[in-house]
Amino acid sequence: NAGVTQTPKFRILKIGQSMTLQCAQDMNHNYMYWYRQDPGMGLKLIYYSVGAGITDKGEVPNGYNVSRSTTEDFPLRLELAAPSQTSVYFCASSPPQENQPQHFGDGTRLSIL
Amino acid sequence: AQSVAQPEDQVNVAEGNPLTVKCTYSVSGNPYLFWYVQYPNRGLQFLLKYITGDNLVKGSYGFEAEFNKSQTSFHLKKPSALVSDSALYFCAVSDRSNDYKLSFGAGTTVTVRA
Repeated sequence: NAGVTQTPKFRILKIGQSMTLQCAQDMNHNYMYWYRQDPGMGLKLIYYSVGAGITDKGEVPNGYNVSRSTTEDFPLRLELAAPSQTSVYFCASSPPQENQPQHFGDGTRLSIL
Repeated sequence: AQSVAQPEDQVNVAEGNPLTVKCTYSVSGNPYLFWYVQYPNRGLQFLLKYITGDNLVKGSYGFEAEFNKSQTSFHLKKPSALVSDSALYFCAVSDRSNDYKLSFGAGTTVTVRA
């Protein structure tokens, strides 16, 4: 099983450019999440989705957008890249039960210069 | 609001010695508690969880954690550390007040020396 797959693994953007971080899971999980990880800060929730067509803001949503047209895919869009968005981005998925652990992808390392 | 504290940025132990990684939490209701491990350039991997019941929880790779409600703690332990346990460890908590979304601690880097 592939689990949660994130692409690309690395990317360098210029300020003001846009890009989409891709996330796909093959476990038929209803719930999907986007986090950013900054050194010494743990993981912060950007957006999450409880099913196709349903998305909601997390703790740090500014500067990002998401969509969920299928159960499998949950792309994250940066419209106008800013240096503050330099980070490692992780996608995760889980079954709908609240006591189930999340499964993480290997991350996208993004630098904005 | 829920929160997690991992008071130690780094923990250093010798191989074969006991390993403890500390975690305290704050929630308004009954907590669900999780430990994850992250190896370099990889995503987080689930180690163990506490939902309800026995306060001592056993997980993957010989790790265990003890839930202490009165001290609001959930410390991760391993009786005999291995060099391969060197990694970044995260404690996380969720509860009903935040729709069971996870809040993560800042992480603790564990280094096990041979």
